[in-house]
Amino acid sequence: GAVVSQHPSRVICKSGTSVKIECRSLDFQATTMFWYRQFPKQSLMLMATSNEGSKATYEQGVEKDKFLINHASLTLSTLTVTSAHPEDSSFYICSASPWGRSTDTQYFGPGTRLTVL
Amino acid sequence: QQQVKQSPQSLIVQKGGIPIINCAYENTAFDYFPWYQQFPGKGPALLIAIRPDVSEKKEGRFTISFNKSAKQFSLHIMDSQPGDSATYFCAASLSHFGNEKLTFGTGTRLTIIP
Repeated sequence: GAVVSQHPSRVICKSGTSVKIECRSLDFQATTMFWYRQFPKQSLMLMATSNEGSKATYEQGVEKDKFLINHASLTLSTLTVTSAHPEDSSFYICSASPWGRSTDTQYFGPGTRLTVL
Repeated sequence: QQQVKQSPQSLIVQKGGIPIINCAYENTAFDYFPWYQQFPGKGPALLIAIRPDVSEKKEGRFTISFNKSAKQFSLHIMDSQPGDSATYFCAASLSHFGNEKLTFGTGTRLTIIP
């Protein structure tokens, strides 16, 4: 149990376009989902915390208007990178916290590799 | 104060050896310390976690040692295998609840040679 999926796994887009990444909890409901960005050979940096039915909380230095997060249901959160540029190329990873299982940690998705040309 | 420092950056150990990865934190409010394993191109997977009221925890070949007074914790991998070659991240959180955000260490790239 506790599987998190991401779609797509890889995406290549042109500079200036927008890209949407989906994060789904497959076998549990998640009131809280997190979005991370990871550059090559670096650690995971938290971008934002997404709570179902409310606005996301962004970490300092993360542009809210550039990285739009929507958590419309208990199993789905989306990250939209608007007007993407080459410097946005990175590995984006989501995680989800199971609702009702208070001692559980976060479960991570497999990640989405974004390449902006 | 939210940082978690991790060392070494990379580590090469012969098969059967015991790699040790160390982490240190400053925020005494941290209450949960998990370790994650990440393979290239994949998301992190939880290996083992500990809370400050325990000094050691073992799960299979993985052991966490925790020193609350020194604000340090470490991961030991017993009888290491080539399949353990991966990047390992320590992390810290203000609570063990899954809806609390994690602060990650910088990562250790571990290579186990046959």
